[in-house]
Order: sequence, then structure tokens, then C-alpha cells
Amino acid sequence: AQTIHQWPVAEIKAVGSPLSLGCTIKGKSSPNLYWYWQATGGTLQQLFYSITVGQVESVVQLNLSASRPKDDQFILSTEKLLLSHSGFYLCAWRIYEQYFGPGTRLTVL
Amino acid sequence: GDSVTQTEGQVALSEEDFLTIHCNYSASGYPTLFWYVQYPGEGPQLLFRASRDKEKGSSRGFEATYDKGTTSFHLRKASVQESDSAVYYCALRVYNQGKLIFGQGTKLSIKP
Repeated sequence: AQTIHQWPVAEIKAVGSPLSLGCTIKGKSSPNLYWYWQATGGTLQQLFYSITVGQVESVVQLNLSASRPKDDQFILSTEKLLLSHSGFYLCAWRIYEQYFGPGTRLTVL
Repeated sequence: GDSVTQTEGQVALSEEDFLTIHCNYSASGYPTLFWYVQYPGEGPQLLFRASRDKEKGSSRGFEATYDKGTTSFHLRKASVQESDSAVYYCALRVYNQGKLIFGQGTKLSIKP
């Protein structure tokens, strides 16, 4: 069975500090991978997607970047956090349907 | 552009009440429609999907019928339980595209 793991579970960071969030998919080969952002009480907004290793497409510009260094790994990062980056970050994978990971709660102070 | 509209931002019901959450969409291609449920602090879970006109999706007592004529995919459940309290999202994916477009979500609260 496939599993999706996100790390860390939660982060509290200072404005201007760097950030790296990770996502690993096990049990599926070459899935499409996605990053979503969700403001507290808000809907889901797709940030990035990747259909293969080394290739990432940006959907929304939020001063974030993403990379796919391995087939089963997707990384979200920034060198300088903004207050507006606070929220819930979700990784998702898709072969036929899209399934979400447990999420990472980010608080920027 | 493609979009999804959920009319109700919040719905408050009692146990055993009938539930309807309205979802209407606008899409340029041939969309597949989805309902997701999200519990507090968790990622959304797929309830079901439908990809053809008049196709019914169902899961856990919830159901919705894809209606191309009225561009709707309303979520219904005959008798809600307290455990159904969550946020429900309607979403669409246009044919051959990976992007999911979500509605604003409907927070369902069930009183015991």
C-alpha cells in the first residue's frame, strides 16, 4: 500500500529565516506530485506540480520554490520567510486520483 | 476560467438530519468532479468522484450526481452523524490536466 509522509509535522519560524519542507511517497512509482497551501480557514491553492524527477512547474508565485530530487521525494523551500507564508502545507500524489498527505503546519512570527 | 462555487460556507445540523451542500462549476473542457472531506489538522480525504454526465459517486453514505445541464455536483446524505463534522470541498479537474481546482469549502457542524 502507498504511504505519504510529510516532515516536519509543524514548524514555528521567524520572518526572514529559511524553510525546507519535505514529502516522501512510498509504494508508488513515478507519481505526479503536488504542493498545496491552505490559509487557516481557507481553501486549498496549488503551488507546484511535478511529473518527473528534476522537473517542477510553478502554479502560483509566493516566493517559494520546489524541487524533486528523487522519484519519491518533493521539497518545498524558501530562503526568506514572510508572515504571509503561515498556513498548512500539503503534499499530494496522483496516478489516477489525487491523494493528500497529513500536512505541515507552519507559523511565521 | 475554470471555477467551483460552494454556496454554503457553514452548515449546522442535528444528528439524523438530511444534508445538502451545493456545488456548481464552470469548466472549459470535460471536467471530472470530486468531493473531499477534511478533518481538523489533517489532509483532505477523497470521498468520491464522477466523470460523466448523470454519473453518481458515493461513499460513506454520501452521494452526488454529476449534472452537466445544471453544471452541478451537489453533495447529499440522508442522515448525518456527529462524526460527519468536517469541512467538505468540491473540486474539479479538467480533462487531461493535473490541476485540481477547489471550491471554498463548507464547514459542517453536527449537534448530537
